[in-house]
Amino acid sequence: EAGVTQSPTHLIKTRGQQATLRCSPISGHTSVYWYQQALGLGLQFLLWYDEGEERNRGNFPPRFSGRQFPNYSSELNVNALELEDSALYLCASSLSGDPSGNTIYFGEGSWLTVV
Amino acid sequence: AQKITQTQPGMFVQEKEAVTLDCTYDTSDPSYGLFWYKQPSSGEMIFLIYQGSYDQQNATEGRYSLNFQKARKSANLVISASQLGDSAMYFCAMRGISNFGNEKLTFGTGTRLTIIP
Repeated sequence: EAGVTQSPTHLIKTRGQQATLRCSPISGHTSVYWYQQALGLGLQFLLWYDEGEERNRGNFPPRFSGRQFPNYSSELNVNALELEDSALYLCASSLSGDPSGNTIYFGEGSWLTVV
Repeated sequence: AQKITQTQPGMFVQEKEAVTLDCTYDTSDPSYGLFWYKQPSSGEMIFLIYQGSYDQQNATEGRYSLNFQKARKSANLVISASQLGDSAMYFCAMRGISNFGNEKLTFGTGTRLTIIP
């Protein structure tokens, strides 16, 4: 069974451009999470989608947005890219239900470099 | 609010020795889960082990075990018989359900483990 898949693996963009990152959750998982991990830093929570709706977002500006599609895959969009947006973006998925009992699995991440 | 604290930024351990990575947490949620993830230099986050707040026994997964002390709010990861491939960043994380919309994982700052041959 396929795990969480993310694309692209690497992306290089120029400051001011837009970046789109994609994530496919594990089959049967309806919750998708996005995290940002800047170089040498911990994971910062970005967004959580469940059943097609945004349930929670972290402390990031509105130029970070996303959506979840009917097949539960998800897209993260970063507009007006800034140099400090350069980071590893990790997507994770889990089942809905009792969150303390459902393990969250991560994809391999998308490396975004803004030049 | 949830908080995870990992006080060891880096550790060096001799191969084949056991290693304990510390993790303490703070939450007011009545029910929560504790997770450990391994992140090698490639960047992927690999799930290692999970402990539920109501689980009576400590979780074990192969060479990994979680020393869960609820009263002390600690969830230390123990790796037995360490191997060179264990060299990586290790993150402790927690997920609670204080109210709907708080179902995200909160991560600690991580511990970089280096196994010495």
